[in-house]
Amino acid sequence: QQPVQSPQAVILREGEDAVINCSSSKALYSVHWYRQKHGEAPVFLMILLKGGEQKGHEKISASFNEKKQQSSLYLTASQLSYSGTYFCGTAEMTTDSWGKLQFGAGTQVVVTP
Amino acid sequence: EAQVTQNPRYLITVTGKKLTVTCSQNMNHEYMSWYRQDPGLGLRQIYYSMNVEVTDKGDVPEGYKVSRKEKRNFPLILESPSPNQTSLYFCASSSSRGPTDTQYFGPGTRLTVL
Repeated sequence: QQPVQSPQAVILREGEDAVINCSSSKALYSVHWYRQKHGEAPVFLMILLKGGEQKGHEKISASFNEKKQQSSLYLTASQLSYSGTYFCGTAEMTTDSWGKLQFGAGTQVVVTP
Repeated sequence: EAQVTQNPRYLITVTGKKLTVTCSQNMNHEYMSWYRQDPGLGLRQIYYSMNVEVTDKGDVPEGYKVSRKEKRNFPLILESPSPNQTSLYFCASSSSRGPTDTQYFGPGTRLTVL
């Protein structure tokens, strides 16, 4: 089952903050975050692993609540370049489908001047 | 340059005509995967491969085949394409043996089945 992202879309002015949420009904091992600009491939932002390890860009922050199986991506002091569609991807803690990665439907972010 | 390449980038075909979309990576990655992207549905995994000769189904494998005979290549085969397979397809690779590391995506293949 795909993770659920919210909100579906958000419009920001430069300098404003936003939070994108991703939740799953399954126990997760990792949560990925990617950004996709129109007509381009998704680009890696952040990975959060069970146990607290994080890999990603210094300017992007995210959290992973292992008890609730929820992750949040924080867009702070947004810039025009932050515009795009953000996807979370989740990998479950299961041995029979280790390797499967499921993505949410995406959150469209528009940053205006 | 480290990259994932896909060919062709655009393809228009007719129902039932077998086709192959190639995917190749030059990063010596273990893990490779195919996704389709449709409006409002995000990315859905078709198949993935943890290593050479090891492949497994993702969430939407029906109508697709894959093979992993070499580490660098992971072709996607549609033996009898149908209009509902019209979509944007992405190949991705990762250095880890599972989805615990960065996925590097190819540029995408836009497929139209008439």
